[in-house]
Amino acid sequence: AQSVTQLGSHVSVSEGALVLLRCNYSSSVPPYLFWYVQYPNQGLQLLLKYTSAATLVKGINGFEAEFKKSETSFHLTKPSAHMSDAAEYFCAVSEGFGGGADGLTFGKGTHLIIQP
Amino acid sequence: DGGITQSPKYLFRKEGQNVTLSCEQNLNHDAMYWYRQDPGQGLRLIYYSQIVNDFQKGDIAEGYSVSREKKESFPLTVTSAQKNPTAFYLCASSLLGAGTGELFFGEGSRLTVL
Repeated sequence: AQSVTQLGSHVSVSEGALVLLRCNYSSSVPPYLFWYVQYPNQGLQLLLKYTSAATLVKGINGFEAEFKKSETSFHLTKPSAHMSDAAEYFCAVSEGFGGGADGLTFGKGTHLIIQP
Repeated sequence: DGGITQSPKYLFRKEGQNVTLSCEQNLNHDAMYWYRQDPGQGLRLIYYSQIVNDFQKGDIAEGYSVSREKKESFPLTVTSAQKNPTAFYLCASSLLGAGTGELFFGEGSRLTVL
């Protein structure tokens, strides 16, 4: 069985500061990992994904994440926060190549607040 | 453009009424999913379908029903048996087989029971 833990239901940073959203996973098989972003009353949009190629993954809007197998982590970072980054962020895991037929396992989400 | 279309965006229902949420995709994806989202609880899987005329219960299927008569369509009915139906509902699809498991989402439907 897989699981995802996102540390911190709310994270607040100042505009221009580093953004760090934490995600730890557990999986019995080599996982594929995903970060999604959700703006109010909208669906989820893929930010980036790890599929066993490079461990440092770059995504849209200046975000990146690093897969660390030894720490079972896939933390999301952005060097300089922008007001438009305020949103809900979800980390998710799948069963690797071919995916799981029952979809992804999601964390509970982290609400990112940007202070002016 | 390929994508997933959910309708309606907002829906109000009186207690005791069944409502059906529509989900259509033109991505030629095999699998389709329905998730329920409540504040602070993340996404919870209601039903999923890997192939036409077949579907499986997810973690919170009680009070919901689905059908998959066409590859492109996966409607969700919220029945009167669902005790707390007010929520944001998300439909998604994915490729199976050689895919990564990545989900593609619709814009969601917000159901409010009055």
